[in-house]
Parts: sequence; structure tokens; C-alpha cells
Amino acid sequence: GAVVSQHPSWVICKSGTSVKIECRSLDFQATTMFWYRQFPKQSLMLMATSNEGSKATYEQGVEKDKFLINHASLTLSTLTVTSAHPEDSSFYICSAPQGTETQYFGPGTRLLVL
Amino acid sequence: EDQVTQSPEALRLQEGESSSLNCSYTVSGLRGLFWYRQDPGKGPEFLFTLYSAGEEKEKERLKATLTKKESFLHITAPKPEDSATYLCAVPGRRALTFGSGTRLQVQP
Repeated sequence: GAVVSQHPSWVICKSGTSVKIECRSLDFQATTMFWYRQFPKQSLMLMATSNEGSKATYEQGVEKDKFLINHASLTLSTLTVTSAHPEDSSFYICSAPQGTETQYFGPGTRLLVL
Repeated sequence: EDQVTQSPEALRLQEGESSSLNCSYTVSGLRGLFWYRQDPGKGPEFLFTLYSAGEEKEKERLKATLTKKESFLHITAPKPEDSATYLCAVPGRRALTFGSGTRLQVQP
């Protein structure tokens, strides 16, 4: 199947700092990528849709000024958590669709804000 | 609004003990139903896509089936390495809408 990578795989930061997470499609191009958040023992919740060449689309309740998304190229989307707080600690996962068949997910990034 | 409900929430099996996981869905128009496997601390791994009632797909010890209202993931003679959370999902307005998952534990 298609490969999607994320970097870093885990990050620990101090409250108030910003953290950038990268999502790359390694062997295909993706004009759209999706960012999900997953809390322990819960399912994935869509945060936003990253669109190459245009603004991201955010789900209701997700602050666009806090979670900055940039779809820099057809293979790269970044999520920046600005002024992170402990409640932002979570598992962040990106995905990219390949054709119309399915979405492939990255390995996830675990964020811990102290 | 699309809804996906999975049951049971957790399932513990002995090695070799076959069972089934359920995924019930309510959508305005089904454009596919997806099954994923997720190991702790990792992203979901794609397993199957089903598109129409009556369709079945198999992969090793797993078989997914689909009706007009639900999908089943049958696990035949499971092994400890099949322990994971199994997620089903349907395409939403933009991305996938996931069920809450079934945490499967297979004991040797």
C-alpha cells in the first residue's frame, strides 16, 4: 500500500511553545491531506482538511489560529500547534487519499506538553 | 449525520477461538466501508474496503462482509499477533468517520 510518513514520531515541549508536525506522502501525490487527533482509548477525530494551494478547512470546534496548517507541496502538509498547552497533549495522525479507493495513514505523532 | 457504531468495545479471545466484530452504520449514501487495524501508538493500517451489500474480502485470518446496515469482521483461529484495535469507517463529507473501535486481545 501507499506510504505516509510523519515527523517527529514524538515530541515533548513546554507550555507556551509551538510545535510543528510534518506529514509526507512518500510515493504518491496528495492534493488533500487530513489531520486527526486521537485521545487515549478513543477513536480518531477529524481536525482539519489540508488543501494544496488553498486554505485548510477546519472542523467545528477546532481553532484555526491555534492549529496552523500549511500544504506546502503535493507531498507535504504541516500542522503547527501554536502556544501549546497541556490539554493539547494527544496523538496526532495525518492521512492522505490515494485515488478513490482509500486513505493511508501516517504512523502518528505523540505530543506531550508539560 | 453519518453514524458508525462498533461492538463489542473490547473482546478477549483464546488463541484459535474464532469470533466476529460488528460495525453498524447509518449513512445517507454508502460510498464504501473501510476496516483498519491500529496497534498501540501507531497509525491505522488499511485492511479492507467494501462497497456493496453481499461483498466479502479476505486477508489471512480476517474476512470482512457487508450488508445494507452493518459489516462484520470475522477472525478465524486468531493468534496473539492479531491483538489490536480494529476500526471501521465510512466516508464523510470530507474525510472518514470512524467508529470507536473494538480492542481485541488474543491470549496464547
